[in-house]
Amino acid sequence: GESVGLHLPTLSVQEGDNSIINCAYSNSASDYFIWYKQESGKGPQFIIDIRSNMDKRQGQRVTVLLNKTVKHLSLQIAATQPGDSAVYFCAEKGAGFQKLVFGTGTRLLVSP
Amino acid sequence: DAGVIQSPRHEVTEMGQEVTLRCKPISGHNSLFWYRQTMMRGLELLIYFNNNVPIDDSGMPEDRFSAKMPNASFSTLKIQPSEPRDSAVYFCASSVGINQPQHFGDGTRLSIL
Repeated sequence: GESVGLHLPTLSVQEGDNSIINCAYSNSASDYFIWYKQESGKGPQFIIDIRSNMDKRQGQRVTVLLNKTVKHLSLQIAATQPGDSAVYFCAEKGAGFQKLVFGTGTRLLVSP
Repeated sequence: DAGVIQSPRHEVTEMGQEVTLRCKPISGHNSLFWYRQTMMRGLELLIYFNNNVPIDDSGMPEDRFSAKMPNASFSTLKIQPSEPRDSAVYFCASSVGINQPQHFGDGTRLSIL
């Protein structure tokens, strides 16, 4: 969806728990999706991406799920660690030279 | 491996002054993007280049903003004259291709007094 930069939703979890961060995207024509992690004072860091011909993709401790029917994207982090605390952004992109559009972001807080 | 390098990391200047932000993309990347991040508006794309050619500058706020990419390893974003509302963190990102992950620098925190 369009980035509006207002109040960030926050997800608080305990160390070792699994985390699920959700994102609703706006453009049904989007065919490429990315999750980024942003720590304080740093730029967004690429985590994982997925294209619209897939509905699931796994990385190291992370899984991205894509449901095109309801335009929903989720990021699952297994065995969440304090170092995972950050703001997580989803981003969507249409085909060709269309620009990448970032979501509002979700703050993940991991307690030891 | 060197990531995207931005300079300066911090800039504080008075309104009316010219500000120039610099970016060195990752070697071999042919797409370069300039973003602005604020609390109110989040992360916004200002302009992006593909093979040194500006493709979409619809996000550039107004004529006070300009961006150049004279070669594949360098880009600048210039604000002249600067205004307090330009205060934000400006990020540069690069990617191998237009439909590949963008890799971000650590940004320039700009404060216009």
